[in-house]
Amino acid sequence: DVKVTQSSRYLVKRTGEKVFLECVQDMDHENMFWYRQDPGLGLRLIYFSYDVKMKEKGDIPEGYSVSREKKERFSLILESASTNQTSMYLCASTLYQQGSTGELFFGEGSRLTVL
Amino acid sequence: GEDVEQSLFLSVREGDSSVINCTYTDSSSTYLYWYKQEPGAGLQLLTYIFSNMDMKQDQRLTVLLNKKDKHLSLRIADTQTGDSAIYFCALDQTGANNLFFGTGTRLTVIP
Repeated sequence: DVKVTQSSRYLVKRTGEKVFLECVQDMDHENMFWYRQDPGLGLRLIYFSYDVKMKEKGDIPEGYSVSREKKERFSLILESASTNQTSMYLCASTLYQQGSTGELFFGEGSRLTVL
Repeated sequence: GEDVEQSLFLSVREGDSSVINCTYTDSSSTYLYWYKQEPGAGLQLLTYIFSNMDMKQDQRLTVLLNKKDKHLSLRIADTQTGDSAIYFCALDQTGANNLFFGTGTRLTVIP
């Protein structure tokens, strides 16, 4: 069974702290994504990666960075957390293959609260 | 970029049909998807339709695509309490690596 695992389901951090959100997939997928989900705004793409050490900005990259040192792991980093980064963060992966449906497989989410 | 709109809330009685609607602005998608998010969980693919199709039926689910009006809908027949969730439509876009998601519709099924 395919699996995307996010290491922390719930985090509470203070303003200015550095935050790491980890995501691991066991499906050998090339593409990995970080979204944030806010009520009434749906899912907004922060960053994505289509290969090891490669990254691309999404729609809302400000205040975030990412790291992909291994194919299976994609980390989201908040260098200095702020209260407006309180949100649900969702990691996803997909297989990039001609003719595939492009289905995204999601982790269960990490709910971050910044005080 | 793509604008994808959905109503935020829908309530139906158990046993009735639910219709969740989605409108979009860009018509270059190859696949259009419906994802379901149950409470406390990530999103799971529910069904999808290829852009050259008008309709797709999968058990209690019917997807309708009106390309002229840029309108996608998901009909759930005989809605059950277990169908209570947030439903997202999503579209791919030629040349883009990611999907564009709607705002999500929270479906509440009243027993």
